[in-house]
Amino acid sequence: GEDVEQSLFLSVREGDSSVINCTYTDSSSTYLYWYKQEPGAGLQLLTYIFSNMDMKQDQRLTVLLNKKDKHLSLRIADTQTGDSAIYFCAEPPNQAGTALIFGKGTTLSVSS
Amino acid sequence: DTAVSQTPKYLVTQMGNDKSIKCEQNLGHDTMYWYKQDSKKFLKIMFSYNNKELIINETVPNRFSPKSPDKAHLNLHINSLELGDSAVYFCASSQDFYGYTFGSGTRLTVV
Repeated sequence: GEDVEQSLFLSVREGDSSVINCTYTDSSSTYLYWYKQEPGAGLQLLTYIFSNMDMKQDQRLTVLLNKKDKHLSLRIADTQTGDSAIYFCAEPPNQAGTALIFGKGTTLSVSS
Repeated sequence: DTAVSQTPKYLVTQMGNDKSIKCEQNLGHDTMYWYKQDSKKFLKIMFSYNNKELIINETVPNRFSPKSPDKAHLNLHINSLELGDSAVYFCASSQDFYGYTFGSGTRLTVV
């Protein structure tokens, strides 16, 4: 079956870096996503990376992709209390006509 | 302008009732989805429509019936509500590979 794995919790101090890890299943995935869900809100697309890239940087966010190990990570530099949220890794379906597959989400807690 | 809007935001109802959740997107996307998020925050796909045609129908009870009157709308009707239906239901839409745009969710509580 399809399973996108993430650790469920991460706790950091304000100003530290956060690294959220994800293991996906389909080596043929052409792109992978990170979504953020703040309390009481919907999911917001944070960033995505194409499979022909190893790294993507966008301000405080760095996405690293290791295709050999099917490992994706999201690094948040200088983590702020406003970054406290649930972060979901997602991969496209490996069959036509199916939907984006989400990991179980990592709850990031930032303390001041 | 809200891209994907769902109504209502909160829904509290008694067991056995029938209720509907509405979803509209103004992005011109071809595909719309319903996801269920349980109390552990796990997201599970329920249905997907592409240009008003059902393309995904995961294993959900027959009490759940999606309806897409046009490609901008995907409504979810639930018959004979049960306690286990309590969850947050998210509507989303997509076009090509640029990820999904989600609505803000409908928190359904069955008492």
